[in-house]
Amino acid sequence: GQQLNQSPQSMFIQEGEDVSMNCTSSSIFNTWLWYKQDPGEGPVLLIALYKAGELTSNGRLTAQFGITRKDSFLNISASIPSDVGIYFCAGLLGGSQGNLIFGKGTKLSVKP
Amino acid sequence: DAMVIQNPRYQVTQFGKPVTLSCSQTLNHNVMYWYQQKSSQAPKLLFHYYDKDFNNEADTPDNFQSRRPNTSFCFLDIRSPGLGDAAMYLCATSRDFYEQYFGPGTRLTVT
Repeated sequence: GQQLNQSPQSMFIQEGEDVSMNCTSSSIFNTWLWYKQDPGEGPVLLIALYKAGELTSNGRLTAQFGITRKDSFLNISASIPSDVGIYFCAGLLGGSQGNLIFGKGTKLSVKP
Repeated sequence: DAMVIQNPRYQVTQFGKPVTLSCSQTLNHNVMYWYQQKSSQAPKLLFHYYDKDFNNEADTPDNFQSRRPNTSFCFLDIRSPGLGDAAMYLCATSRDFYEQYFGPGTRLTVT
């Protein structure tokens, strides 16, 4: 089946540092979504991307839809302790009827 | 605020005893989804409703059923829960097949 390769698997960073994570695939996606999930909670949508090359920001978060439509990255600037959690990328293939393909997640830990 | 609500947040059931999880939404979205998420894994789609049309994923066990009595509500029925069905169950909604919004989840324990 379709797969998304998300990296890194985990990150341990100091408060104030910038963070970068990415997802790649061999398939072409129409939509890229980035979610954050806290323990015991549902994923929260951070950013949605619909066009190749699109660069979108949400506060300290910035995400881009790769020009080849096979990849996306998420940057977090000036990390703070509440950024801790698991970040998932998810892609939608054309004609997929909403079947999101998820990456395996990046677990972010922030040291104060 | 518009949102996706799941009840209960925690559910304990006995092996083989039917259980129903519920989801409601105030977003007026026409698509509702049910996902299963096990520890340290990404969510796995079980099925979705596009309006009243039910769409089952090929690998969803027959033990899992769903009902959508109206636009706002959707239920997940597990007919005979096994120990392997212990997981977080997530409901999500979307307008058509655009971005999906998740509820807070129901943590199911099977004893």
